[in-house]
Parts: sequence; C-alpha cells; structure tokens
Amino acid sequence: GDSVTQMEGPVTLSEEAFLTINCTYTATGYPSLFWYVQYPGEGLQLLLKATKADDKGSNKGFEATYRKETTSFHLEKGSVQVSDSAVYFCALSGVANDYKLSFGAGTTVTVRA
Amino acid sequence: DTGVSQNPRHKITKRGQNVTFRCDPISEHNRLYWYRQTLGQGPEFLTYFQNEAQLEKSRLLSDRFSAERPKGSFSTLEIQRTEQGDSAMYLCAVPHTGGSSGANVLTFGAGSRLTVL
Repeated sequence: GDSVTQMEGPVTLSEEAFLTINCTYTATGYPSLFWYVQYPGEGLQLLLKATKADDKGSNKGFEATYRKETTSFHLEKGSVQVSDSAVYFCALSGVANDYKLSFGAGTTVTVRA
Repeated sequence: DTGVSQNPRHKITKRGQNVTFRCDPISEHNRLYWYRQTLGQGPEFLTYFQNEAQLEKSRLLSDRFSAERPKGSFSTLEIQRTEQGDSAMYLCAVPHTGGSSGANVLTFGAGSRLTVL
C-alpha cells in the first residue's frame, strides 16, 4: 500500500541555517504530495503541496519538488528562524484515496537563536 | 480558528472506562475524517463519513470503537472499554475550502488527547 518514509529527527539548527528534511514515498499511480506542520500546542496545518511530477510547492520560504524518478519530496528552507521550530510531516494522497492521507512519522525541528 | 472544533481537548481515564470525543466543523462539509496520532508517529487514518454514511473504516478501528455522524454535521467517536494502547491524539479533519490549496487538502482540528491510566 501507500507509504511515506521521512528523515528521522530530531534536528537542531542555528538560526539562518539551511534545513533539509528528506521524504520518499511508495505509491501506485500519481499521488499528491504534502508537507504538513505542527507547531507546539497547535493542530496540523498544510505547509505546501504538489500534485504532479516536477511541481514545486512553496510557502513561508519552504520549498519541495515532486520528483517522480526518485519518488521523493524533500523539504528545504534556505534560512530558518526560531519560529520554524515545529514537527514536520510528509504525506501523500493516492489517486484513488482522495482525502485519505498516509503520513510519515514526522521530524522534529528545533531552531536555536 | 482551524475551522474544526474538537472536545474535550484532553481526557484522562482509567482502563476499562468508555470515552466519547466530539468533532464540530464550523461550516458544512460533506466529508469528515478521523485520524489517530500516537506519540512520535504521524497521523493514521481511522474512518470517514460522506454526510451521515460511514464509508470506510481502517483495520485500526477495532469493535470497541464506534463513530457516528447522525445529521451529517458533527461527529462523535466513542471508545468502549479503553485500553492503555488507546492513548493517543484523536484528530478530526474536513476538506479544506477557500484559498488556492486545491483538492486533497484537509483542515485538521487541534485534536482530543486521550490518556488511559
């Protein structure tokens, strides 16, 4: 079945450092791919998405490109801030599954001032 | 305001007791989803509703779990004879509306955290 594997954390960075969180997926067909973020004490929020190969999703300085050839959707940000400290989840929605999402285990990111 | 209200936010109960969680979407949605998130893991799909009809249930949903959506608006998730393994965050979600997010995007509530002692 559909599954997502993402880089294990936790990840600790200094402010203005470069962040990469790796995500690879297994799915039949052409899934939609997502990054969700969970800030401390808050619910899951969509960070960005991509629905087809070579699409780039972007939001709040974060980017991820849908790479079908490597079945990956790595999240990157060039210069992190303390406010980016959160848990990041990679997820996919298979063509036939509509809104039923398969999530990765999450990566905890802590940014130090 | 996430568009989905969940209550209670935190429930502590003793093993063997029954608990019920409620999900109230702020606006009308045909579909409503329940997920479970255990510590250190991503959310896992439990079940979903199309209006009042429960259309799919995950194998994670044992017969001690029952979900309803009687009027196609709010939904409840009841766990009978709770076990320590039921300790988790229970998340409700509805399809995102508005903006340019497009299809397949869910809006999640803040969740109801269950602790079974």
